[in-house]
Amino acid sequence: DAMVIQNPRYQVTQFGKPVTLSCSQTLNHNVMYWYQQKSSQAPKLLFHYYDKDFNNEADTPDNFQSRRPNTSFCFLDIRSPGLGDTAMYLCATSRGGRDGYTFGSGTRLTVV
Amino acid sequence: DQQVKQNSPSLSVQEGRISILNCDYTNSMFDYFLWYKKYPAEGPTFLISISSIKDKNEDGRFTVFLNKSAKHLSLHIVPSQPGDSAVYFCAASGGAGSYQLTFGKGTKLSVIP
Repeated sequence: DAMVIQNPRYQVTQFGKPVTLSCSQTLNHNVMYWYQQKSSQAPKLLFHYYDKDFNNEADTPDNFQSRRPNTSFCFLDIRSPGLGDTAMYLCATSRGGRDGYTFGSGTRLTVV
Repeated sequence: DQQVKQNSPSLSVQEGRISILNCDYTNSMFDYFLWYKKYPAEGPTFLISISSIKDKNEDGRFTVFLNKSAKHLSLHIVPSQPGDSAVYFCAASGGAGSYQLTFGKGTKLSVIP
């Protein structure tokens, strides 16, 4: 089945230690998104790639960066995680039209 | 400032009854609305959508109603089943960057057998 896969499912990292979250897709979708969702809050868009074009949300901290080396893969890099970065990180893809997103299962990140 | 609001964090309904989940939005540029369903430890999955040119869209047990003048939409589930127990997110898109979705906080639905 075509899908969006996030690895790892759970990640514990130390305060200040860089961490990378991975997302891959077999849908050949143009757009890949990264959302941060904290407990009982709405998923918050961090950034997205439309093909190779990177689009950063104005309020995304500089600490968060992303790479999309090819159509299938997209990475979220957190350079110096703080305790406040503990959250669920959701990757999603779409064709860029009015179709809905296809989400991965998420990575639950805990910063200790 | 939340542009998509789901003011009820949780809702409990008896099996067989109707579940009504509500969503309000503030951005008048939004013209496409979606509902997603999320089980624990899984990503959200698309449930149903509606364009602003319609006021109702139905798919089996699920119906979404849109009231543009009130900037309000609702999801009706009839009859509710225990397997419907999940968190439901309302999402909207429109205007510049129209393919991007803005999400509400979600409503946790519990269907009691």
